[in-house]
Amino acid sequence: QVQLQESGPGLVKPSETLSLTCTVSSGSIRSYYWSWIRQPPGKGLEWIGYIYYSGTTSYNPSLNSRLTISVDTSKNQFSLALNSVTAADTAVYFCARGGLWQPLDYWGQGSPVTVSS
Amino acid sequence: DIQLTQSPSSLSASVGDRVTITCRASQTISSYLNWSQQKPGKAPQLLISGASSLQSGVPSRFSGNRSGTDFTLTISSLQPEDVATYYCQQSYSSPLTFGPGTKVDIK
Repeated sequence: QVQLQESGPGLVKPSETLSLTCTVSSGSIRSYYWSWIRQPPGKGLEWIGYIYYSGTTSYNPSLNSRLTISVDTSKNQFSLALNSVTAADTAVYFCARGGLWQPLDYWGQGSPVTVSS
Repeated sequence: DIQLTQSPSSLSASVGDRVTITCRASQTISSYLNWSQQKPGKAPQLLISGASSLQSGVPSRFSGNRSGTDFTLTISSLQPEDVATYYCQQSYSSPLTFGPGTKVDIK
């Protein structure tokens, strides 16, 4: 059973960079897409972006200019960096396996992130 | 971008009732439509992929169907543990998109 675990700070200051890492266990990161999704308090799910294990990425156009997703196959990890954050970026951030033509079939438990000074 | 609309936005039904949720795509997505269930404070759980393929371990009372760009999720006999928000999601083209969700509770 594939398991995903998000890690990173729970509090980020406005204008700084939000950085999260997702560690994949009990399965290889190869041959799959890996996505980040977020959910603001009381709201629905928003897809942030995905990365293929080879490094190909696709981002939500609304976040594209501030977003970088990277992968480290040697550590079975992929990461998210969102810069110039504001209070609107406050959300629970989920990592998941899946992306283009692949369902989001395994999810991390979610990492709450608050943007506040 | 492909827009997904869901109806209804919420519903309340009795235990044992048949419940149907509809998701409509703004353009063709073939069968790249997935349904997930999210309970409060938890991560979403995939129920159905490819419009109609039930995931392993998901109760058989859940089923999915496709008619063109209209998709349905049906719960044949609503159970108390089915109280949750249900999201459709398309994986046909980037950017991936989710429907706004349908909140289901027990009457």
